[in-house]
Amino acid sequence: AQSVTQPDIHITVSEGASLELRCNYSYGATPYLFWYVQSPGQGLQLLLKYFSGDTLVQGIKGFEAEFKRSQSSFNLRKPSVHWSDAAEYFCAVGTLIQGAQKLVFGQGTRLTINP
Amino acid sequence: GAGVSQSPSNKVTEKGKDVELRCDPISGHTALYWYRQSLGQGLEFLIYFQGNSAPDKSGLPSDRFSAERTGGSVSTLTIQRTQQEDSAVYLCASSLAGVGYTFGSGTRLTVV
Repeated sequence: AQSVTQPDIHITVSEGASLELRCNYSYGATPYLFWYVQSPGQGLQLLLKYFSGDTLVQGIKGFEAEFKRSQSSFNLRKPSVHWSDAAEYFCAVGTLIQGAQKLVFGQGTRLTINP
Repeated sequence: GAGVSQSPSNKVTEKGKDVELRCDPISGHTALYWYRQSLGQGLEFLIYFQGNSAPDKSGLPSDRFSAERTGGSVSTLTIQRTQQEDSAVYLCASSLAGVGYTFGSGTRLTVV
């Protein structure tokens, strides 16, 4: 069965600093990988996804993620964070079953931005 | 509609009562999913519907939970005889095949 581990429960960075959020997955085949962001009181918004092809994926809001098969990782990065990036970030791995994507989510990483 | 709509946005119920949560997916999306997010936890898969296929109910935590999707569109998640541990945010999402989910804003359920 698939599983996702986000090792960092809470990360604090200063505004303008670079960011990397870690995600490791367990899945027997080529995974579909996603990063979602959840702002307080909001639903989840898709940041980016990896299905195949180029292992460096660009997303919205200046985020990118790199798929590394050898490390079973899909870490999320941003060169310079903004105060508005403070939120909860979820990594997910999915399988395509009869046209539906069943996603398994990590526990999330809460990002705090210091001014 | 333009997005996934969930109602009510908040629900407070007494222990032992039944509740119904509604999800109206994006028009044309063939798949619909329910997840539960408890305080400080990740997202727990409950059930999904895909077209006319039998739903995957493997995530429903007990037989007090059930869901249906009428006409391939609107879905209702029903929790019977609610317990305090059912308190959570219930999230609905819909998708086209292989594209990724669009989530609704959720229903915050509080059982008192």
